[in-house]
Amino acid sequence: DQQVKQNSPSLSVQEGRISILNCDYTNSMFDYFLWYKKYPAEGPTFLISISSIKDKNEDGRFTVFLNKSAKHLSLHIVPSQPGDSAVYFCSSLGAGGTSYGKLTFGQGTILTVHP
Amino acid sequence: GAGVSQSPSNKVTEKGKDVELRCDPISGHTALYWYRQSLGQGLEFLIYFQGNSAPDKSGLPSDRFSAERTGGSVSTLTIQRTQQEDSAVYLCASSLQGGANEKLFFGSGTQLSVL
Repeated sequence: DQQVKQNSPSLSVQEGRISILNCDYTNSMFDYFLWYKKYPAEGPTFLISISSIKDKNEDGRFTVFLNKSAKHLSLHIVPSQPGDSAVYFCSSLGAGGTSYGKLTFGQGTILTVHP
Repeated sequence: GAGVSQSPSNKVTEKGKDVELRCDPISGHTALYWYRQSLGQGLEFLIYFQGNSAPDKSGLPSDRFSAERTGGSVSTLTIQRTQQEDSAVYLCASSLQGGANEKLFFGSGTQLSVL
């Protein structure tokens, strides 16, 4: 049972344009969401997060939007740069009331930004 | 070292053999996590250690999997009688105190291939 779903395995974008990566979740108990970015042969690195009490969080070129009623979040990257090419994982926290960072991850979306 | 260190980076083994994967977390981090990523799947939680507390083993897929954390630092994940479905990238992560909203710092992973 996949509780966090990233239905687009890949996304290709032109440099300078907006990249939108989508994520859906099924468990309404999730209350904190994090995006991680992964380059080949490296471990994932934290990118940006959002609490369920907010609907938007922005950090430079990266913005995460949360729609709780739709159980949907999205990561916007604008403008996209070739160095953003990586696998992006959506993850969630909080179901079952855990007090530590036990994350549920989606399958990941491979973003390719073309020069 | 500055980051989470995992060894070996690659491991090829024959079905039925035992393997040990090692994780050296960031110095001072009290929380340690093991995840794995099978082909085409998201990161799957395996086990969590925090200080001297009993570990959360709820993600271990079978009793062939076990993990230890000695002295609150280095951790070893052991897989006995490996099967082909154990082939995956095994990722270790640490965080400062294991709080729910803390970002995880991941190692580069061990690519395990069971022939």
